[in-house]
Amino acid sequence: GAGVSQSPSNKVTEKGKDVELRCDPISGHTALYWYRQRLGQGLEFLIYFQGNSAPDKSGLPSDRFSAERTGESVSTLTIQRTQQEDSAVYLCASRSSGNYEQYFGPGTRLTVT
Amino acid sequence: AQSVAQPEDQVNVAEGNPLTVKCTYSVSGNPYLFWYVQYPNRGLQFLLKYITGDNLVKGSYGFEAEFNKSQTSFHLKKPSALVSDSALYFCAVSASYGGSQGNLIFGKGTKLSVKP
Repeated sequence: GAGVSQSPSNKVTEKGKDVELRCDPISGHTALYWYRQRLGQGLEFLIYFQGNSAPDKSGLPSDRFSAERTGESVSTLTIQRTQQEDSAVYLCASRSSGNYEQYFGPGTRLTVT
Repeated sequence: AQSVAQPEDQVNVAEGNPLTVKCTYSVSGNPYLFWYVQYPNRGLQFLLKYITGDNLVKGSYGFEAEFNKSQTSFHLKKPSALVSDSALYFCAVSASYGGSQGNLIFGKGTKLSVKP
């Protein structure tokens, strides 16, 4: 079946602009996660959605970052007033209830110039 | 605080030889442990997990990992390495709280290079 998809695959933006990244999870997966992977680094947790519960936003690095998810479907990660240190690959993952492993999308490579 | 350590930035192995990629963790509560592999320009692929039960778990592509509670380790192993195993490997942990599961904490990754 279809995996996690993300769009765009690449995004180049100027410093100070806002960007919106999209994630389509695997159908039926109730949990959805956003992570950031800086060059040569491991993954940093950003935000976690579980069904209709309040999201866990504890990993968001600043108030310029926000994310939304409608029900158990698409999620968008928004970065306002982008900075050069926001340049990274943003990865989305989803997980079904009752399973433990997360399945990752291909990521969006964000470059802030 | 939860953390994962992968002490080796790179592991070099000759094809056909056994390989080990090391991982240690720190977590309060019962750990859920995972290994993921990342090939160039591709997303992370799930390899295997330890949740409970037998300390030796088997996963995709002939990989296995051994959970050692006393040493808080979860090393990834394969009896005979292939050139195609060359990739970036990530160990990850999450803690269970009352049966629910949160986000993964990742190590920094270990680059595995298998030479013919």
